[in-house]
Amino acid sequence: EPEVTQTPSHQVTQMGQEVILRCVPISNHLYFYWYRQILGQKVEFLVSFYNNEISEKSEIFDDQFSVERPDGSNFTLKIRSTKLEDSAMYFCASSDIQGMANVLTFGAGSRLTVL
Amino acid sequence: DQQVKQNSPSLSVQEGRISILNCDYTNSMFDYFLWYKKYPAEGPTFLISISSIKDKNEDGRFTVFLNKSAKHLSLHIVPSQPGDSAVYFCAAFSRGSQGNLIFGKGTKLSVKP
Repeated sequence: EPEVTQTPSHQVTQMGQEVILRCVPISNHLYFYWYRQILGQKVEFLVSFYNNEISEKSEIFDDQFSVERPDGSNFTLKIRSTKLEDSAMYFCASSDIQGMANVLTFGAGSRLTVL
Repeated sequence: DQQVKQNSPSLSVQEGRISILNCDYTNSMFDYFLWYKKYPAEGPTFLISISSIKDKNEDGRFTVFLNKSAKHLSLHIVPSQPGDSAVYFCAAFSRGSQGNLIFGKGTKLSVKP
């Protein structure tokens, strides 16, 4: 069964450092997403991406965050200068349609720990 | 701002019995509701969904019921199996959103043999 692949599975970084989280969405999917889950809290939407543009972003997705699809297969989330509160599990997701069912396929997540 | 609430953090059920997971929402503009299941060290996996114009959707052992007047939905698992033990997330979205699923905090289901 096709799956969304995320790397790294766990990254530890110092506050203020830049971090790039990588995702390989399902090959025929056109819509890409990032969500995050801070420990003990709910899964929160960060951003959606289609046709090389951000479709929608949440209040969390401020100027410190950016997304990119550098080639035909990867989808990345960059945090420019990490803060302690960025420590969370970051989930990438993709879908082949958007609208009626909005069924997203999620990756296993990348755990980010900011010290 | 909890638009989607799952008030029970955990639920324990005996194998073979029914599991009922509940979810409440506050935004009457939601068009679709979904249930995702999550095992440790994995991402959420889509389980079942329901449109806001329906009151029931069934898929095998899983049935979702929607009560719009009460802004309440529930997931029934019958019969429950030990492999169903996971965290279950209720989620909702509006048709105009671009992938912005609003999740509840999740309910951890334990099915005991």
